[in-house]
Amino acid sequence: EDKVVQSPLSLVVHEGDTVTLNCSYEVTNFRSLLWYKQEKKAPTFLFMLTSSGIEKKSGRLSSILDKKELFSILNITATQTGDSAIYLCAVEEGTGNQFYFGTGTSLTVIP
Amino acid sequence: NAGVTQTPKFQVLKTGQSMTLQCAQDMNHEYMSWYRQDPGMGLRLIHYSVGAGITDQGEVPNGYNVSRSTTEDFPLRLLSAAPSQTSVYFCASSYEAGRIDTQYFGPGTRLTVL
Repeated sequence: EDKVVQSPLSLVVHEGDTVTLNCSYEVTNFRSLLWYKQEKKAPTFLFMLTSSGIEKKSGRLSSILDKKELFSILNITATQTGDSAIYLCAVEEGTGNQFYFGTGTSLTVIP
Repeated sequence: NAGVTQTPKFQVLKTGQSMTLQCAQDMNHEYMSWYRQDPGMGLRLIHYSVGAGITDQGEVPNGYNVSRSTTEDFPLRLLSAAPSQTSVYFCASSYEAGRIDTQYFGPGTRLTVL
């Protein structure tokens, strides 16, 4: 069973475009949802979301969670080539010991 | 601080061989975990530990053993390697379970089983 599903799987955009990445989830005891950026090696943390409707923002990146509809979106505005990476969504379940990752969205930003 | 370190960076094994992937952190983190990352599968949790002497299974524990004799180290053992264990392995740590917003990942170990 898929607990965390991301879409699209891959995306190619031009510099300056705005992109929206999607993450839907299905867990029995939701605790938090996290977004990571993975370039060549290990994932790096972007956002943690625990409450519905509260936007988290960092520069050109923002994210919001909908706990009723069980999804989150990650927006990137004015994309740059440095935004090219795989973006991973993860859901923390239960006591905080278990994490489920989506397959990731591969974003390529071309000049 | 060195953060989370993993050794080796690359490893090639033959089917049936055993080996240990090393993971260490110097941040006094209580929570440590091992993930494997396969194309099209995302990251999957193998085992985790909430403190020295305590380990538990994650989503895909079969074929792997762990131990946590110290706070700093969390080795992952493959008892009899299989081609299905070809993957990239990441170790991660955080101050405590639930403090996942401060989870640090190691650089990864790329394992190939022939």
